Amino acid sequence: EVQLVESGGGLVQPGGSLKLSCVASGFTFSDHIMDWVRQAPGKGLEWIGRGRNKVKSYTTEYAASVRGRFTISRDDSKSSLYLQMNSLEVEDTALYYCVRLHESSGYYYSDSWGQGTLVTVSA
Amino acid sequence: DIQVTQSPSSLSASVRDRVTITCRASQSIGNSLNWYQQRPGKAPRLLIYGASSLQSGVPSRFSGSGSGTDFTLTISSLQPEDFATYFCQQAYITRWAFGQGTKVEIK
Repeated sequence: EVQLVESGGGLVQPGGSLKLSCVASGFTFSDHIMDWVRQAPGKGLEWIGRGRNKVKSYTTEYAASVRGRFTISRDDSKSSLYLQMNSLEVEDTALYYCVRLHESSGYYYSDSWGQGTLVTVSA
Repeated sequence: DIQVTQSPSSLSASVRDRVTITCRASQSIGNSLNWYQQRPGKAPRLLIYGASSLQSGVPSRFSGSGSGTDFTLTISSLQPEDFATYFCQQAYITRWAFGQGTKVEIK
């Protein structure tokens, strides 16, 4: 069974930093591209970034809202994905999901989601 | 970036109703459109990928159609467990985007 377990969320002051972790199990983590998606309280889903696998040269992509402040990394030996968040703003308050990408017939989609870790940015 | 706009933002329906949700992309995305269901307090769940392919384990009352810029999610006969929020997602270019969501409520 595929499992994604996020951790590291919490309360942080504006301007502070936080590092989220996602530990994967039940599949070969190194084969998959992974995303971070967030959801502010009572709001919709926002794609914030991607960490590609070795085949894709471990490249990363970010949404404009977090580019330059957030950094995605991964450690395939630990089946783990990370999100380093710096210069946090009140608007970054959200539930952060770790998401696995899958490809079938040339189409990519998010087929497995963790339960999320809550980040609250407040003074 | 490519934006996706969903409509309606909410709807009220009864059990066994046929429900249709639409998603429009700001430019052509071929068939690279996915649909997700999110129940309260739960993570999203993939329903449809590639505009019309049903994810394994998803009931056949869910179907997707469309290509280019206009897409539709249809629930042929609404069941009690289908009352939830539905999101579309463009997966055509790297910076994926979700629609705003459609909340399906009990009439």
